[in-house]
Amino acid sequence: KQEVTQIPAALSVPEGENLVLNCSFTDSAIYNLQWFRQDPGKGLTSLLLIQSSQREQTSGRLNASLDKSSGRSTLYIAASQPGDSATYLCAVGEAAGNKLTFGGGTRVLVKP
Amino acid sequence: NAGVTQTPKFQVLKTGQSMTLQCAQDMNHEYMSWYRQDPGMGLRLIHYSVGAGITDQGEVPNGYNVSRSTTEDFPLRLLSAAPSQTSVYFCASSRAGGNGGYTFGSGTRLTVV
Repeated sequence: KQEVTQIPAALSVPEGENLVLNCSFTDSAIYNLQWFRQDPGKGLTSLLLIQSSQREQTSGRLNASLDKSSGRSTLYIAASQPGDSATYLCAVGEAAGNKLTFGGGTRVLVKP
Repeated sequence: NAGVTQTPKFQVLKTGQSMTLQCAQDMNHEYMSWYRQDPGMGLRLIHYSVGAGITDQGEVPNGYNVSRSTTEDFPLRLLSAAPSQTSVYFCASSRAGGNGGYTFGSGTRLTVV
């Protein structure tokens, strides 16, 4: 059974600092990996999707890397802003992507 | 472009009552799923569907039924609500193969008293 872990569970940084969020998974036979953002009381917003054949994806200040062999993905957020404060969820897609296994999330607070 | 629409947004049920959570998507996605989110447990898969007429169980299916009569709709039925089903429920959809990633609805917050 796939298990996805996100460490740390919570992170607080001053504005302008770069954020590094970690995700690890136990079974390297994944189809894809997706990073989501969730604001309190809201739904999930997709940030980046990395296919299993890819090593990284970038969108603006966000960059996500994938290392299947070591079972790890890292989400980098450059020059953090208070608006980046949210919970970030990592999810591994299996069986042609129709099932997602989620990590517990990292709650991020960016202080002005 | 509505994406994934869930109704209702909030619901309070009494133990033993039944209800249906509605989910509709307008992106012609083949795959649809239901997840529940509980504090300390993350999101867990309840049921999923790879196309109209095809459904299967996820990690926590007990107490829930689903059907997929059309590509657009994927309702989740609670047969006899229990306090353990108090949770936030999310519906999601994606294209076949997952190349487009998943789109999630805004959620239904359910309380069973």
